[in-house]
Amino acid sequence: QSVLTQPPSVSAAPGQKVTISCSGSSSNIGSNYVSWYVQVPRTAPKLLIYDNDKRPSGIPDRFSGSKSGPSATLGITGLQTGDEADYFCGAWDDSLSAYVFGTGTKVTV
Amino acid sequence: EEQLVESGGNMIRPGGSLRLSCEASGFSFNNYAMSWVRQVPGKGLEWVSAITWNGGNTAYAASVKGRFTISRDNAKNSLYLQMNSLSAEDTAFYHCARGFDSFFDVWGQGTMVTVSS
Repeated sequence: QSVLTQPPSVSAAPGQKVTISCSGSSSNIGSNYVSWYVQVPRTAPKLLIYDNDKRPSGIPDRFSGSKSGPSATLGITGLQTGDEADYFCGAWDDSLSAYVFGTGTKVTV
Repeated sequence: EEQLVESGGNMIRPGGSLRLSCEASGFSFNNYAMSWVRQVPGKGLEWVSAITWNGGNTAYAASVKGRFTISRDNAKNSLYLQMNSLSAEDTAFYHCARGFDSFFDVWGQGTMVTVSS
C-alpha cells in the first residue's frame, strides 16, 4: 500500500496545463526531497524531477516541481500528446526507513 | 550511454528461490548506490531494496525483509537480488535503478518474476 497519495488521473487539452498532487506526511515529503518519474506503459520509469524542483539534463522546462510541507506538486505546461503517461512521486520515509512511491497518476491529453 | 540490464527473471513455484542480476555499463558503477524497484504489470512502483556504493549499508522494504538479500560486485559492475521464500505477492517486473534514498536517475528495463504453482 502506497504511503504517498496521488489523484488516479488528470486530463487536459493539448497546450493546456495540468498539476499533479502528491500528499504525504512529515516523515517523508515533509522532511526529505521529492522526485518525480514518468512511465509510458511497458517501458522503464524515467526521472523527471529531483530534489523537489530540479530537472535532469534533457527534461524541458514545461515540467516543474514544488513542495510545501508534507505535499508536493508536479506541473506540466504546454501539454503534448507525447506527455500521455503515468506519473509517480517518490521520497524517502524516515519512519519506515524505506523509499516510498506515490500511487501514480495517469495523464490524458 | 549509461545503461542497466537486468536478468534472471523466471517463473518459479511458491516457496522457491531466484537470483536476479543487473549489469551496469557507461558509468562508474562503484561510485553509486543502487536499488531494486518492482512493479506489478499495470500497477504502481514499489521500492524493494538498496545498497550503498561499497555494500556497507543496505535497506529493505518491510515486505521483503528477511527473505531478500541485495549485494553487489563492483569488479563485475553488477548488482544482485537473492530472493527466497517467494510467494505470489512477489510476482512483478523487477527493475534495478541507480540511487538509494533520494532519487533514481538510471533505470533498467526490468526482468519479470512470476511466482505460481
